[in-house]
Amino acid sequence: QKEVEQDPGPLSVPEGAIVSLNCTYSNSAFQYFMWYRQYSRKGPELLMYTYSSGNKEDGRFTAQVDKSSKYISLFIRDSQPSDSATYLCAMSEYGGATNKLIFGTGTLLAVQP
Amino acid sequence: GAVVSQHPSWVICKSGTSVKIECRSLDFQATTMFWYRQFPKQSLMLMATSNEGSKATYEQGVEKDKFLINHASLTLSTLTVTSAHPEDSSFYICSARGQWGNTIYFGEGSWLTVV
Repeated sequence: QKEVEQDPGPLSVPEGAIVSLNCTYSNSAFQYFMWYRQYSRKGPELLMYTYSSGNKEDGRFTAQVDKSSKYISLFIRDSQPSDSATYLCAMSEYGGATNKLIFGTGTLLAVQP
Repeated sequence: GAVVSQHPSWVICKSGTSVKIECRSLDFQATTMFWYRQFPKQSLMLMATSNEGSKATYEQGVEKDKFLINHASLTLSTLTVTSAHPEDSSFYICSARGQWGNTIYFGEGSWLTVV
């Protein structure tokens, strides 16, 4: 079993739809959770960063963490064609400069105009 | 915001030669940098953790003599793929974390094609 599981998609939605992206994980020690967006042939771009359980909102993006279920989500409201990309969840046990991230496989999202 | 720069963004080399990829943190000091490899339609796989002034820590299954990592300063880490083979062709990405921050920023990646 992988430490982090993520549905690879592809996920296709019409413009304006609400998108829900999810990851599950097995390591209960994970405390820091991140979502990255990666356009084709580019490096990942940090979208959201959360610590422990709870919700965090930033513009059209909302990140949710449920540590009891080992489940994290990213919601995108009013999705736009420019949101079409691969979305990677990532997590780590500790913060600080030296700790490494464990990534999900990424979900390919296509927002149709 | 923080910027991590990688160079070159793409490179083609002949089988058996070596190629160096640079990763620079442009506006912050990075005590730790991470090197990843990503095959098409797959996630990022951590290869090694590069610590300034000390030896890199390699993940299981990654050959340290093949993938040489040097982190000589707080703003520069290099990855050298030695005796490259076609199966080394991949997208190599570095990331950096500042001394005090918890967030990790990625470079734009380097496409390596070995022919």
